[in-house]
Amino acid sequence: DAGVIQSPRHEVTEMGQEVTLRCKPISGHDYLFWYRQTMMRGLELLIYFNNNVPIDDSGMPEDRFSAKMPNASFSTLKIQPSEPRDSAVYFCASTYTGLRSTDTQYFGPGTRLTVL
Amino acid sequence: AQSVTQPDIHITVSEGASLELRCNYSYGATPYLFWYVQSPGQGLQLLLKYFSGDTLVQGIKGFEAEFKRSQSSFNLRKPSVHWSDAAEYFCAVYTGRRALTFGSGTRLQVQP
Repeated sequence: DAGVIQSPRHEVTEMGQEVTLRCKPISGHDYLFWYRQTMMRGLELLIYFNNNVPIDDSGMPEDRFSAKMPNASFSTLKIQPSEPRDSAVYFCASTYTGLRSTDTQYFGPGTRLTVL
Repeated sequence: AQSVTQPDIHITVSEGASLELRCNYSYGATPYLFWYVQSPGQGLQLLLKYFSGDTLVQGIKGFEAEFKRSQSSFNLRKPSVHWSDAAEYFCAVYTGRRALTFGSGTRLQVQP
């Protein structure tokens, strides 16, 4: 398997623009997580899905952030409008919880977002 | 609320020396504990985890960790550090339905 795939790897945008981050989880995984990593706040869980349904979005910082998972193989995290304080590395992770689960979250390489 | 504390922000050790990274947790029930490693520019990789049973758990890359309920700790150890171990290490705990709460991380530097 190719692992968790995220795109783009780097994104530079101007304040006020819409940003869409994409994630393809590992095939067969039933949980998907979005994290944000900053120097100030470390790794924060933003939202996670189980079987494409959002379970907990209490970590989403503001209404400017939204996430969707239209099917088991794709999720997006959208920021509209973006602000400089949104600059961070955004990670997607997935895990499988059925039989033979190892309770391991597999992380993608991250998207480094810079908002000017 | 569940939380994880990693008191050491930055640790430097010499290659071949032993290593111990500290992790303390706050959790009402028996915690599910993890150690992840992040190499520069990379995502996180699981080193090891503790759910129950033997309190000394073995992981990949020669790492081990010991769960001590009395001290609310889950410290990561390695008897002999290699230069390739230089990375950032995160302790984490399940906070329900498989969501992870991470500590602030410890950056390990290895001197030749």
